[in-house]
Amino acid sequence: QKEVEQNSGPLSVPEGAIASLNCTYSDRGSQSFFWYRQYSGKSPELIMSIYSNGDKEDGRFTAQLNKASQYVSLLIRDSQPSDSATYLCAVYAGGTSYGKLTFGQGTILTVHP
Amino acid sequence: SQTIHQWPATLVQPVGSPLSLECTVEGTSNPNLYWYRQAAGRGLQLLFYSVGIGQISSEVPQNLSASRPQDRQFILSSKKLLLSDSGFYLCAWSSGPYEQYFGPGTRLTVT
Repeated sequence: QKEVEQNSGPLSVPEGAIASLNCTYSDRGSQSFFWYRQYSGKSPELIMSIYSNGDKEDGRFTAQLNKASQYVSLLIRDSQPSDSATYLCAVYAGGTSYGKLTFGQGTILTVHP
Repeated sequence: SQTIHQWPATLVQPVGSPLSLECTVEGTSNPNLYWYRQAAGRGLQLLFYSVGIGQISSEVPQNLSASRPQDRQFILSSKKLLLSDSGFYLCAWSSGPYEQYFGPGTRLTVT
């Protein structure tokens, strides 16, 4: 059973702080990793994808991947109240053409003013 | 640019009634298409995926079915709804084993 684990939270950070969201996965052969943001009552929105070890930065977001430790994280710098949402980690383990993603249960992030 | 539509946005149906949810994608050809369900406070459960017209694979046995009558159209159906079918139904597309993009979703309540 391929698993993706996230701390369910809630994670509460003050406005302007760095929010750190973590995700571990069980399949060592996993190839692609994604972070989605889901506001309450809305559908998931892709915010980051990462395919190789190291850091990938996009604006206030940084994704970090460590395949040896089977660990992927998302850092949100200068957190804003509008960042309050559930963050879903998704992993593609490879081996199929249809690209089945395995999702974690999500981490609820609250940014308070 | 690509756009994905779902309708209806919300639906309230009695137990035992039929269901038809529709998803269409614009701006791309031969996409992979997916149906997910998200129960309240739960994660995303993949229900069906399709890599082409008429090609449907089921991930979870249940009273739901899916069809893909056209390249960019994906339909989720049921002949008789159960209470446990309530949830947030999401359609997604991808161009291969890469990022998936979700539609706005259909919130289904079975009463």
